[in-house]
Amino acid sequence: DTGVSQNPRHKITKRGQNVTFRCDPISEHNRLYWYRQTLGQGPEFLTYFQNEAQLEKSRLLSDRFSAERPKGSFSTLEIQRTEQGDSAMYLCASSLGGPGANVLTFGAGSRLTVL
Amino acid sequence: QQQVKQSPQSLIVQKGGISIINCAYENTAFDYFPWYQQFPGKGPALLIAIRPDVSEKKEGRFTISFNKSAKQFSLHIMDSQPGDSATYFCAASKRGGGSTLGRLYFGRGTQLTVWP
Repeated sequence: DTGVSQNPRHKITKRGQNVTFRCDPISEHNRLYWYRQTLGQGPEFLTYFQNEAQLEKSRLLSDRFSAERPKGSFSTLEIQRTEQGDSAMYLCASSLGGPGANVLTFGAGSRLTVL
Repeated sequence: QQQVKQSPQSLIVQKGGISIINCAYENTAFDYFPWYQQFPGKGPALLIAIRPDVSEKKEGRFTISFNKSAKQFSLHIMDSQPGDSATYFCAASKRGGGSTLGRLYFGRGTQLTVWP
């Protein structure tokens, strides 16, 4: 296992278009998180899955954002009708449950640029 | 509202020197305090972490000092090397079960440059 994998690494799109990012977590990790990072800021929590269940969503996750983890393995994050303010790095992380739940392993991120 | 405040924003240190980055928090429900290191084009990587039942944790050249009464914690990098040049983030998460575990609140980051 090579860690958390994210695709695509970079996406440039025009305002109003839809984009989708994929995250493949570490295989034995049942928890999966999405964070957003803008320039000069730390990552901000967006949403979290335990297995296939989406258990928490941040207020940052507007109605245009949707995340899924259909079989409890990979996850997708879709942004509809993109806006320039959506330009950011979207980070995926995974962790074990139980005492290891705090220990997050992050992927390299998917950078979105909205023109 | 920034739950974890980090300073300085940037830091320049000579090779062999000590780098010190400070963080402060208000929420007493926080009970796990990790530091992450991020290189350009990469995701954050866990460097070292501490829980409030100890005042210091050391791993190699990296040490976390924790002051529970002051609600502050800091990262010390001894014998700083050019390869340590990166952005460092402090973070905190709350105790409790369920989804609170793993929801990290990050500081804004410190860009460290170590001159050879």
